[in-house]
Order: sequence, then C-alpha cells, then structure tokens
Amino acid sequence: AQSVTQPDIHITVSEGASLELRCNYSYGATPYLFWYVQSPGQGLQLLLKYFSGDTLVQGIKGFEAEFKRSQSSFNLRKPSVHWSDAAEYFCAVRGTGGFKTIFGAGTRLFVKA
Amino acid sequence: EPEVTQTPSHQVTQMGQEVILRCVPISNHLYFYWYRQILGQKVEFLVSFYNNEISEKSEIFDDQFSVERPDGSNFTLKIRSTKLEDSAMYFCASVAWDFGEQFFGPGTRLTVL
Repeated sequence: AQSVTQPDIHITVSEGASLELRCNYSYGATPYLFWYVQSPGQGLQLLLKYFSGDTLVQGIKGFEAEFKRSQSSFNLRKPSVHWSDAAEYFCAVRGTGGFKTIFGAGTRLFVKA
Repeated sequence: EPEVTQTPSHQVTQMGQEVILRCVPISNHLYFYWYRQILGQKVEFLVSFYNNEISEKSEIFDDQFSVERPDGSNFTLKIRSTKLEDSAMYFCASVAWDFGEQFFGPGTRLTVL
C-alpha cells in the first residue's frame, strides 16, 4: 500500500541548531516527493520537490532534502534553524499521471531560544 | 504567478445544511482535486477529477459529497447535508499535466455547528 511515514510527531531544536526531519515512503515506483510547511490555521506552502535527477534538492527558506532510493527516504534538512521555522512539516508523495498526493502525518517543529 | 484560489476562506454552517466550496484552478490545468484536513491531523485525499468526471475517490467521499466543474473555470465541492465531523480545512489542488507539480489553494475552513 502507498504510505508516507514521518516517525517524529514533534521535534524541538534550539535556534541556530541544525535540523533533520525524517520521511520514509512506500510506493510502487519512484514517486514524486514533496515537503510542505504549514503554520497554524494556514495553507500548505511547498518547500521543495523531487521529480528526478540530482537526489539533493534545494528549496526555499534554506531547506534541502535528499532522496535515497535504497532507503525509501526523503529527509528534510536545514543547517541553522530560525525561530520563524516553527511550524508543521508534511512529507508527501505522488505518482505520475493524475494521481493523488499522499501526505504523512506531519512533524511539528518547536524552536527554542 | 498563477495560483489556485478558493472561496470562501471560512464558512460556518448548521448541521444538516448544504454547503458549496468553490475553487478556481489554474487556467490551463487538467487535473483537479479536493483534500481535507481535520484540525490537528494530516491532509487526506477526497477526490480527483479529470476530463469532466471523477477519476478517483476515497472512502471519505461518500454520497453526501459531489464535485462539479460547471463552467470550465470553477471547481466545486458540495456537501449535501453537513455533519459535525465535516468540520475541517478543505484544500483544492490542480495539476497541469501528467508530470507536473500539484498546486494547492489556500483552503476553506468549514465549521459545522
């Protein structure tokens, strides 16, 4: 079955520290991979996406993610977290064609001063 | 930059009432979707629509739900008789073509009293 797993329900990091949010997926073929960020009560903002090619993708706000086919993972990283990064982060996958997007349960990021 | 728009941003209704949520996808897009997100939970797929018909629907999308693309620009989600558990954020999305990125609208927050 197609699924996305984000093992960490919430993570707390200190401002200025590095961040890694984990994402594993189960899909029949290599899917398209996405990370979205959502602030409370707000919509979904696309941080970055992977379709093909270089497995290390750069996104907005200084985020990057690495696709590892052998591990079925697409972890999100940021070298130095800012207080404004506190939000909910969703990993998502989608197949080719008009297929739906499948979201993970999300990881809530807390940033402490 | 083109974007998906949704109206209203917030809808409050009484249980048992019909509601119509409206979306205007990006003009040259071919695939259309509705998702919902109950407060504090992940984003769930409801339905996809292509070539003027439903291409896929989830278990959530029961007979109380319907979608329509009445005039070639709007894409609507109707809930015939709302229940308390329909309270959620509803996101519309569209895709230009098979391998394209899925663009999400800002969402409509539906509150059923």
